[in-house]
Amino acid sequence: NAGVTQTPKFQVLKTGQSMTLQCAQDMNHEYMSWYRQDPGMGLRLIHYSVGAGITDQGEVPNGYNVSRSTTEDFPLRLLSAAPSQTSVYFCASSYRTGGSTYEQYFGPGTRLTVT
Amino acid sequence: GDSVTQMEGPVTLSEEAFLTINCTYTATGYPSLFWYVQYPGEGLQLLLKATKADDKGSNKGFEATYRKETTSFHLEKGSVQVSDSAVYFCALNQGAQKLVFGQGTRLTINP
Repeated sequence: NAGVTQTPKFQVLKTGQSMTLQCAQDMNHEYMSWYRQDPGMGLRLIHYSVGAGITDQGEVPNGYNVSRSTTEDFPLRLLSAAPSQTSVYFCASSYRTGGSTYEQYFGPGTRLTVT
Repeated sequence: GDSVTQMEGPVTLSEEAFLTINCTYTATGYPSLFWYVQYPGEGLQLLLKATKADDKGSNKGFEATYRKETTSFHLEKGSVQVSDSAVYFCALNQGAQKLVFGQGTRLTINP
């Protein structure tokens, strides 16, 4: 299993450009999420999905769109990049291990710089 | 809302020293608690977890006990190695795919 894969690893955008961060998992997990990591702030949830065709907003959704047409893929779209979106982005997939406990697996991350 | 607070870093120790990284949480209900580790240039890996009060999670010599009375989940290791240098995140489970993270603690171990 490749686990959770993300592309690209690095990206530089100019303000106003759009792009899509790709995320795929091969573990047949129902749940997938996108987080951003900023210095001193841990990880914050952007959007999440509980299954194909179902998405919802997290803590910091503004400026981002997601869709989930298949179980495997969960792309994150930046509509019009802003310097405030400079961050490291992590995709994760998760499954229920028992009761109300879910275990998350993270991808290697995409480092995005917006100039 | 739910939140996690970790001790401020960075933390620098000598090899074979005893490690404690403090973590306290605020949550409604009974969340599951986790410690994740992030090695340089990599994503987060689950280090250990505990799902109910008084549970002890352990892995790779690290331990943490879910203390409901003090709302804490402190990470400990008896003898650290240079290879333990990383950023450590405490987190709680707020539903199926919602992890709430602390701000992370950078740990550096000197030989």
